[in-house]
Amino acid sequence: NAGVTQTPKFRVLKTGQSMTLLCAQDMNHEYMYWYRQDPGMGLRLIHYSVGEGTTAKGEVPDGYNVSRLKKQNFLLGLESAAPSQTSVYFCASSPPGHHSPLHFGNGTRLTVT
Amino acid sequence: QKEVEQDPGPLSVPEGAIVSLNCTYSNSAFQYFMWYRQYSRKGPELLMYTYSSGNKEDGRFTAQVDKSSKYISLFIRDSQPSDSATYLCAMSAAWAAGNKLTFGGGTRVLVKP
Repeated sequence: NAGVTQTPKFRVLKTGQSMTLLCAQDMNHEYMYWYRQDPGMGLRLIHYSVGEGTTAKGEVPDGYNVSRLKKQNFLLGLESAAPSQTSVYFCASSPPGHHSPLHFGNGTRLTVT
Repeated sequence: QKEVEQDPGPLSVPEGAIVSLNCTYSNSAFQYFMWYRQYSRKGPELLMYTYSSGNKEDGRFTAQVDKSSKYISLFIRDSQPSDSATYLCAMSAAWAAGNKLTFGGGTRVLVKP
């Protein structure tokens, strides 16, 4: 049981390049999330999904797009990377319900030069 | 001003001491309160969950919520070196779509043997 798996683990991009971060979960969770974590800022929600085929904006969505074509996968895209997007990106999943814990992956460390 | 404030630390204590962590928040709609623990280069994992006001105890960990003061606390008794991690508070409102959580910035804790 792998839980939440994020690929890649590390990536270095040049300004203007594009990339896709992949998140896969094997717990059959309905909800999935993408967060970014920056020093002193905690985790900030980028986009989230409450089910296959649905996505919604979070707190800091600008510069990112997402897709949830399959229930188990949630993709985060950067169309034109900027240095301000240098961060650690975490994917999480959970069942519905406020009492349900978020299960996080181990993050993708992205540097944009 | 951030919705959830948390002292970044680091908080350094000797093994066996009581660790006291806290968060303040401004949104009176928050009703669900959590503490996540994050080890270095790992994703956060749920430690404690509390609904509304009151105390909750789980082994060496006690979570307290004071909604009148908009203040939550986490206490770790008989601290161990394995408790060295970053502790993130998180909270959500009942009406939050997708169970969206708002996180504090995290407090780094170091327990010295």
